[in-house]
Amino acid sequence: AQSVSQHNHHVILSEAASLELGCNYSYGGTVNLFWYVQYPGQHLQLLLKYFSGDPLVKGIKGFEAEFIKSKFSFNLRKPSVQWSDTAEYFCAVNGPSGGYNKLIFGAGTRLAVHP
Amino acid sequence: DGGITQSPKYLFRKEGQNVTLSCEQNLNHDAMYWYRQDPGQGLRLIYYSQIVNDFQKGDIAEGYSVSREKKESFPLTVTSAQKNPTAFYLCASTGTDRMGSPLHFGNGTRLTVT
Repeated sequence: AQSVSQHNHHVILSEAASLELGCNYSYGGTVNLFWYVQYPGQHLQLLLKYFSGDPLVKGIKGFEAEFIKSKFSFNLRKPSVQWSDTAEYFCAVNGPSGGYNKLIFGAGTRLAVHP
Repeated sequence: DGGITQSPKYLFRKEGQNVTLSCEQNLNHDAMYWYRQDPGQGLRLIYYSQIVNDFQKGDIAEGYSVSREKKESFPLTVTSAQKNPTAFYLCASTGTDRMGSPLHFGNGTRLTVT
């Protein structure tokens, strides 16, 4: 069965620190990859997505993610975090074995940024 | 503005009662989804529907039921058979015009069963 692993459940950083959140998925084939973010009290929203092409994807608010097919990974990065980046981050994937309309989510990583 | 409306925001029920969560969208999306969010477990798919009058079980469908009589509406019933119904429930929708279209989420309903 498909699965998505996010290695860090809680991350605490100071402002201006660099961020990298890990995401690995369990199955091969052509996949679509997503990062969603949930700010406190708000609904989930799309941060960035990868369908094909350049494996380095840029999203909103200075976030980027790199798809490394050989490692089944799609790690999220930001060079310098801000207090407003405090949120929960979810990696998600869909693909042929589960159907492209069935999105599988990781357990989430809760990020706290201290000023 | 287009979007997804879930109601109510908070819901309290006694054990043994069925309860129905509402989800309405005006995005003209074909596909709709119900997810359950629990701390440390991320989002788990309960049911999804790609077209009116058709729906499929997700990974944790036991104890839940859905209907899709209208394109705009996808209500979820949490039945008394669901062993751990207390959770945060999220409804989402997407167009099916391209592979892997991003999901649009509602604000969720927090259900507490005592």
